[in-house]
Amino acid sequence: AQRVTQPEKLLSVFKGAPVELKCNYSYSGSPELFWYVQYSRQRLQLLLRHISRESIKGFTADLNKGETSFHLKKPFAQEEDSAMYYCALSGPAFQKLVFGTGTRLLVSP
Amino acid sequence: GAGVSQTPSNKVTEKGKYVELRCDPISGHTALYWYRQSLGQGPEFLIYFQGTGAADDSGLPNDRFFAVRPEGSVSTLKIQRTERGDSAVYLCASSIQGATNTEAFFGQGTRLTVV
Repeated sequence: AQRVTQPEKLLSVFKGAPVELKCNYSYSGSPELFWYVQYSRQRLQLLLRHISRESIKGFTADLNKGETSFHLKKPFAQEEDSAMYYCALSGPAFQKLVFGTGTRLLVSP
Repeated sequence: GAGVSQTPSNKVTEKGKYVELRCDPISGHTALYWYRQSLGQGPEFLIYFQGTGAADDSGLPNDRFFAVRPEGSVSTLKIQRTERGDSAVYLCASSIQGATNTEAFFGQGTRLTVV
C-alpha cells in the first residue's frame, strides 16, 4: 500500500532561517511526488513536483529513492511562507494522490 | 477563468439526513476527484472520474456514499443517512487528464457538519 509520512505537525522558524519539511513515502513502484500548499483562507494548490525538477518561491525538493524521502527545503524562510504543506504521492498504477497529514510552517519576524 | 467551484461552502445537517455536495470543475478537465479531509488529517481519496465514468471508487467508505458525473462535467457527491463521523471538509479537484503528473486543481471545499 502507498503511504506518506510527515513527522512534524508544526515547524516554527524565524525569518531568514533555513527550512526543511520532511516527507517519507512507502511505495514499491516508481513514485510521482508532489508538494501542495494551503495558505490561510486559500485553496490547496500545487507548489512543486519532483518530475519538473524546478524551484518555486525558493523551495526545492529532491527525490531520494534510497531513503524514500522527498524533503522540501528553502534556504531563507519568509513570513509569507507560513502555510500548511502537504506531501503527496501518486504512481503510474493509480490515478489519485495519497497525502501526508501535513506540516504547518510558521515563520516569525 | 474560473477555478474549481464547490457548493455549498458550508452545510449543517442533522444525523440521518441526506446531503448532496456539488463540484463544478475547470472547463475541459476530463478527470475529477473527490477527497475528504478530517480535522488534523491530509485529504483522503474518495473517488475518481474520467469523463462520465467512475474509474476508481475504492476510497468510498461505505454504500452510504455515492457520486455521479452524468455529463462529464459537474459532479455530485451524495451521502445518505449521514452520521456524525461524516463531518469533514469535502474537496473536489480536477485535472486535464488522469495522468499522475498533471496538476490537480482544488476547489475551496464544502465543510459538512452533521449534528
